[in-house]
Amino acid sequence: AQSVTQLDSQVPVFEEAPVELRCNYSSSVSVYLFWYVQYPNQGLQLLLKYLSGSTLVKGINGFEAEFNKSQTSFHLRKPSVHISDTAEYFCAVIPTDSWGKLQFGAGTQVVVTP
Amino acid sequence: NAGVTQTPKFQVLKTGQSMTLQCAQDMNHEYMSWYRQDPGMGLRLIHYSVGAGITDQGEVPNGYNVSRSTTEDFPLRLLSAAPSQTSVYFCASSNLAGVAGETQYFGPGTRLLVL
Repeated sequence: AQSVTQLDSQVPVFEEAPVELRCNYSSSVSVYLFWYVQYPNQGLQLLLKYLSGSTLVKGINGFEAEFNKSQTSFHLRKPSVHISDTAEYFCAVIPTDSWGKLQFGAGTQVVVTP
Repeated sequence: NAGVTQTPKFQVLKTGQSMTLQCAQDMNHEYMSWYRQDPGMGLRLIHYSVGAGITDQGEVPNGYNVSRSTTEDFPLRLLSAAPSQTSVYFCASSNLAGVAGETQYFGPGTRLLVL
């Protein structure tokens, strides 16, 4: 079985400041890793995903994440946030041989203030 | 493309009532799934389907039924609603070509309140 821990439930940040959202996972098998974003009153959309190759993954809207296999982490970063980045962010994992059964973390609410 | 659509957007039910949440996608995706979202718990998989006529249970299937008669549609049925089923429900779909690595596309959600 897999589990995902998002270490912060809420992250307040000022506009134009950097932000890092932490995600740790545990799994006895190989996994793929995802970050999804949910803007207020909307569904989830993919920010980025790690399948293989370079451990630094770049996504949409200036976000990037680094896969660290030894620390079983997949932290999400953005060097300078905008008000429009206010949203809930979900880390998710799936075994590489699975049929799409994503295991989500509890989510991190990012609140960007001027 | 409309992507993944869900109806209704909001619903209030009384305990014991039944209803069907509708989900449709126009991307010809083989894989479709239902999640529920509860505060502090992320999204949890209810049921999923890898093609017409094929469904299976996820993490929290009790109290819900699904069927998949077409590629496009994947309705979720609540047989006898309970207050514990108050939640936001999301439908998602994806290709199966890359299996686990495929991006899942989510609908806008249905907010359900059971009194």
